[in-house]
This record gives sequence, C-alpha cells and structure tokens, in this order.
Amino acid sequence: QSALTQPPSASGSPGQSVAISCTGTSSDVGAYNYVSWYQQHLGKAPKVIISEVSKRPSGVPDRFSGSKSGNTASLTVSGLQPEDEAVYYCSSHAGSTHVVFGGGTKLTVL
Amino acid sequence: EVQLVESGGGLVQSGGSLRLSCEVSGFTVESHWMHWVRQAPGKGLVWVSLIKTDGTTTAYADSVKGRFTISRDNAKSTLYLQMNNLRVEDTAVYYCARDFYSCLDVWGQGTTVTVSS
Repeated sequence: QSALTQPPSASGSPGQSVAISCTGTSSDVGAYNYVSWYQQHLGKAPKVIISEVSKRPSGVPDRFSGSKSGNTASLTVSGLQPEDEAVYYCSSHAGSTHVVFGGGTKLTVL
Repeated sequence: EVQLVESGGGLVQSGGSLRLSCEVSGFTVESHWMHWVRQAPGKGLVWVSLIKTDGTTTAYADSVKGRFTISRDNAKSTLYLQMNNLRVEDTAVYYCARDFYSCLDVWGQGTTVTVSS
C-alpha cells in the first residue's frame, strides 16, 4: 500500500499554468483509468476536481485538467487564480488495496 | 442535497476504543461503496477502509487491520467505524466519503480523534 509520489510543492503567478505530477506503478496508476484529483483548502474537507483521469465534475472550472501517461498522471491548472492556492492530492484505484493517495502537493500562487 | 455528517470523535487513551458514525442524506448508504479516510495533523490523506454495496465485502489498510471494523446500518442511513486498541499514531481527522468509480466524490466535514499516551 505505497503512496503515490507527488512533488511536495509547486508555484506560479496569477494567470500562469502549473502542472503537478503523480507517479504510481503498473499496479495502480498504470493499470486503471481511475485516477482522481482532490483540492483541499486549509481546515476544509477535500473536494474532487478531476475523476477518471480527465473528467471534471459539474461546477469545477475548466482551468483544471487531467491526463495520464503510463504510470504517471498529471493535473494542470491554467490561468492560476489566488483561490487555487491549496493542497492537491491524487488518488488511484489500486486493485485489492482499492484506493491509494499521493502525499499531496502544496500549490502556492505567488 | 447529498451530505455526509461524521460524529463520534474525541479524546481517548492508548488502548481504548471509539465508534465513529457517518450519517448520509440525499442517497442511500447501501447504494455506493463507502470509505473512511484519515489525515494526521499536518499530514496527507490516507485511505483506511471501505465497505462495498453488498454490505459484507470490506477492506482495510494494513495499519488498522484487525483493530478497526467498518459497517453500516441501512435503516439509519449510517456508516460506522469501530476502532479498538487505539494507538497514538491513529490520531487524525477521520472523513467518510462516497465512492463513484474509485473517485471519492462526496466527503463529510471530518471528525477528530486524539489518542493520548
């Protein structure tokens, strides 16, 4: 049940784009198109922003997009806004262990 | 409105027990896989347990296997997590969450468990 690997931090200025990676293995990210991304503001519960690699739930701005190549998934935030400053977590279906999360990436809007 | 509300957290001594509850509304608890996820202070999200729609298939993280038990009461629209033999390292905010194709699409606000030595 090893966690997925994310960079601990990322940053960008308002209006810029930033990408956050999420690296797993051929048993989780590489095996299933069930990668999700969550946004968590300080003191709040996580909120899903991407499901099934690249699907945006209703109400999530189209500035958020997801993709996957092999064992690595990515979240791209385009046109950074101050309110995007948060911690972002990826997760993947992982077979018998069901769900595994990444360690989280703190996104700072400069 | 779809909503999850956790309760039951608190302060307990090492070796003690707590039962967390998660009351759901806006959908039926037996219609989705349901998860418990925890977050230690200042740390990331960690998956803890899940119960499938059949109500009998469950799964646990290695760190809680044999100590925690997930269950649900359909009539009360409530998910539970019975936590026994608690350890200091179980200290965390515990969230319940609804599963939709391995995406946790609805989360509760969390309940805080503190285990003292």
